[in-house]
Amino acid sequence: SYVLTQPPSVSLAPGKTASIPCGGNNIETKSVHWYQQKPGQAPVLIVYDDTDRPSGIPERFSGSNSGNTATLTINRVEAGDEADYYCQVWDNGSDHVVFGGGTKLTVL
Amino acid sequence: EVQLLESGGGLVQPGGSLRLSCAASGFTFTSSAMTWVRQAPGKGLEWVSSISAFGEGTYYADSVKGRFTISRDNSKNTVYLQMKTLRAEDTAVYFCAKDTQEYFHHWGQGTLVTVSS
Repeated sequence: SYVLTQPPSVSLAPGKTASIPCGGNNIETKSVHWYQQKPGQAPVLIVYDDTDRPSGIPERFSGSNSGNTATLTINRVEAGDEADYYCQVWDNGSDHVVFGGGTKLTVL
Repeated sequence: EVQLLESGGGLVQPGGSLRLSCAASGFTFTSSAMTWVRQAPGKGLEWVSSISAFGEGTYYADSVKGRFTISRDNSKNTVYLQMKTLRAEDTAVYFCAKDTQEYFHHWGQGTLVTVSS
């Protein structure tokens, strides 16, 4: 089955740029979606179809997808961005939804 | 406004059964596939099952196939997850989500299922 790999954690200072990778075999052929989840809350969709943002999501959040890695980029990180971030694809080979293991973003 | 309200969670013994419900409102229910996603305590998101708009297609994670059954009642705008032969590792918050072309724009707040003796 298809596997998505994310680093368990990323830490950086406020105002810096966070890059959260999501690795998968030839992932560029799939549409990648990203979710933000804060403690005790349901996930929130922040990027869909590799690069698109739902309404209400700040432009500081952006996505890219190339080769074997999709990336979520958060510009000018703020304390309020501390959360877990998950990538997700639909694997049409198995008809399964696949989530990455999640990355905990810590703002120092 | 899209709203998804899960119910039916609780404490159940290993080997027991439970049925979760997700009542939907604020959108045309018959135009949307629906999905269940779970999250074990302190762990990541795990897809459980999805059902197509009219129920003709159902999909399951390997970890629950043969034990869980997803269904929907379009007259009640409700999707269900029947869970049988529950195991300790099924303990999780179960979220209902509205499918939007392979991603999930709307989620419920979740219902906690605890499998323990």
